[in-house]
Amino acid sequence: DAKTTQPPSMDCAEGRAANLPCNHSTISGNEYVYWYRQIHSQGPQYIIHGLKNNETNEMASLIITEDRKSSTLILPHATLRDTAVYYCISTPNSGYALNFGKGTSLLVTP
Amino acid sequence: DAGVIQSPRHEVTEMGQEVTLRCKPISGHDYLFWYRQTMMRGLELLIYFNNNVPIDDSGMPEDRFSAKMPNASFSTLKIQPSEPRDSAVYFCASSLVASGRLEQFFGPGTRLTVL
Repeated sequence: DAKTTQPPSMDCAEGRAANLPCNHSTISGNEYVYWYRQIHSQGPQYIIHGLKNNETNEMASLIITEDRKSSTLILPHATLRDTAVYYCISTPNSGYALNFGKGTSLLVTP
Repeated sequence: DAGVIQSPRHEVTEMGQEVTLRCKPISGHDYLFWYRQTMMRGLELLIYFNNNVPIDDSGMPEDRFSAKMPNASFSTLKIQPSEPRDSAVYFCASSLVASGRLEQFFGPGTRLTVL
């Protein structure tokens, strides 16, 4: 699986958009980009995934660059409950094994 | 659905004792995963099953660890004998790959402390 690189931490003001970057420069053609988050003391929670096109769901939007070497997870209106560690993972279509890495610790402040 | 259920939620034991962690996946899911999370190593995949059959156990740290899935609704992760370095949060997750939906649903975890 391709290695992903994320900043260790980010801050965001409540109500503003949180844009979390991820680099996956060695991603191969059959690998998806997945985002999960882990709120303190809870199990990880799936957010969104994509292959080439941008994706949007009720939780977030995923923007993937045309060369697929990087992506951005967007939380359009961050709330205090969005404070969590966000993991960007690239994995083949099978999605069987997820390599979580260190993730980005997002702190949403009032 | 109640989601993935894990028991116990907390376990404190002494070094050398046998520990058994339990997981009930979401009904109908065809894949089950066991992960371990520590501050030092983060979240690591230990083993996963497909239709109750172990597929990849390369993440199991050593022979003291074993996992079984006797039926589609139950799995165990056993540590015998336990050691202080096994202290961690153990997560179980399940997914329904056959549906084309690849996301994994995680349980609340079992926090294990080995004294």
